[in-house]
Amino acid sequence: QSVLTQPPSASGNPGQRVTISCSGSSSNIGSNYVYWYQQLPGTAPKLLIYRNNQRPSGVPDRFSGSKSGTSASLAISGLRSEDEADYYCAAWDDSLSGWVFGGGTKLTVL
Amino acid sequence: QVQLVESGGGVVQPGRSLRLSCAASGFPFNIYGMHWVRQAPGKGLQWVAVISYDGSNKYYADSVKGRFTISRDNSKNTLYLQMNSLRAEDTAVYYCAKDPSTGWLNGFDIWGQGTMVTVSS
Repeated sequence: QSVLTQPPSASGNPGQRVTISCSGSSSNIGSNYVYWYQQLPGTAPKLLIYRNNQRPSGVPDRFSGSKSGTSASLAISGLRSEDEADYYCAAWDDSLSGWVFGGGTKLTVL
Repeated sequence: QVQLVESGGGVVQPGRSLRLSCAASGFPFNIYGMHWVRQAPGKGLQWVAVISYDGSNKYYADSVKGRFTISRDNSKNTLYLQMNSLRAEDTAVYYCAKDPSTGWLNGFDIWGQGTMVTVSS
């Protein structure tokens, strides 16, 4: 099991809005920033959201992140076929002194 | 452009050793922390280890502690992962990734393309 909990799958129609949740604990999400990564099929992961809700340059504003307590969410609006990918949340864990990831959510655009 | 290129992967027998390298270019390597992250076939991402910009601080995942050693040579812009006592469960694509800070708390902003390590007899 992963330290951070994500739903294994999510789906939506083109143009719709989907959210992916990430649940942790006080030692990780509750006390540190959350990061989101997108992994397109057969490629390396790519930074999507940093420090809970910040987008790197080049990431469309259709992607947004939020955090509340020990949970975080990634929202994707105006869903497009090229958004089909695996999405991972991550945070530093103070108790483990290491980074922890969610198990990943496979997003399907119907 | 900013680039990380891993090498050194391959097929190795259980109990043997392997050293991975990650060549960095396009940014001042000596001022950033660096990580190794792995992904077993068909599985999710697992963080392996991190080293601070000057090599003075290192952290490891429990699953590799005592077997893997992360190091860096700033004169060669290269990150290493020495993997000893390899097990079947270490089979994965190994990615090196750059931290956007001197330390280890700011995630992974640049990733390499990965190198495959297969542990099998």
